[in-house]
Amino acid sequence: EVQLVESGGGLVQPGGSLRLSCAASGFTFTDYWMTWVRHTPGKGLEWLASIKRDGGEKKYADSVKGRFSISRDNARNSLYLHMNSLRAEDTAVYYCATGPFYFEYWGQGVLVTVSS
Amino acid sequence: EIVMTQSPTTLSVSPGERATLSCRADQSVTSNLAWYQQKPGQAPRLLIYGASTRATGIPARFSGGGYGTEFTLTISSLQSEDFAVYHCQQYNDWPLTFGGGTKVAIK
Repeated sequence: EVQLVESGGGLVQPGGSLRLSCAASGFTFTDYWMTWVRHTPGKGLEWLASIKRDGGEKKYADSVKGRFSISRDNARNSLYLHMNSLRAEDTAVYYCATGPFYFEYWGQGVLVTVSS
Repeated sequence: EIVMTQSPTTLSVSPGERATLSCRADQSVTSNLAWYQQKPGQAPRLLIYGASTRATGIPARFSGGGYGTEFTLTISSLQSEDFAVYHCQQYNDWPLTFGGGTKVAIK
């Protein structure tokens, strides 16, 4: 069974940093591009970043380029999202998902709240 | 970036009725279009990719159509578990973009 489990969310002050993790199991992690997507009630779903199977190619949304960094550790079957210079508008539920284009498998999501 | 617009924002339908949701792109995405269902507190679930191909395990009452800039998701006979928010997403070009969602509510 495919499982994606996010962790690392929480409350952070504006300007702060956070690292999200996504632990993958039940499939061959190195066969898949991986992606981060977030959801807010007001804006809906927003694609943030994707990373190639070997980590050699990364894509970012303009809204997070230069502030967020996607990475993966294939030995640990893990995906990461390093988030810096956080803003109130980054408050959302963050999901990891498989795929570079459409997203077949999703984690349960982790809440990030940016507030003072 | 490609802007995706979904309509209507809310669709009120009775159980057993047919629901048709629309998604429009402001430029052609050919058939690189996916649909997702999302229930409160849950992750999105992939329903359709390639504009019309059902994902694994998706019931046949869900069907997708369209090409280019105009797409539809049809639920032929709404079941109680189908009341949810539906999102379309283009993957023809980076950045990948989603529509704003359509909520299918009980009439």
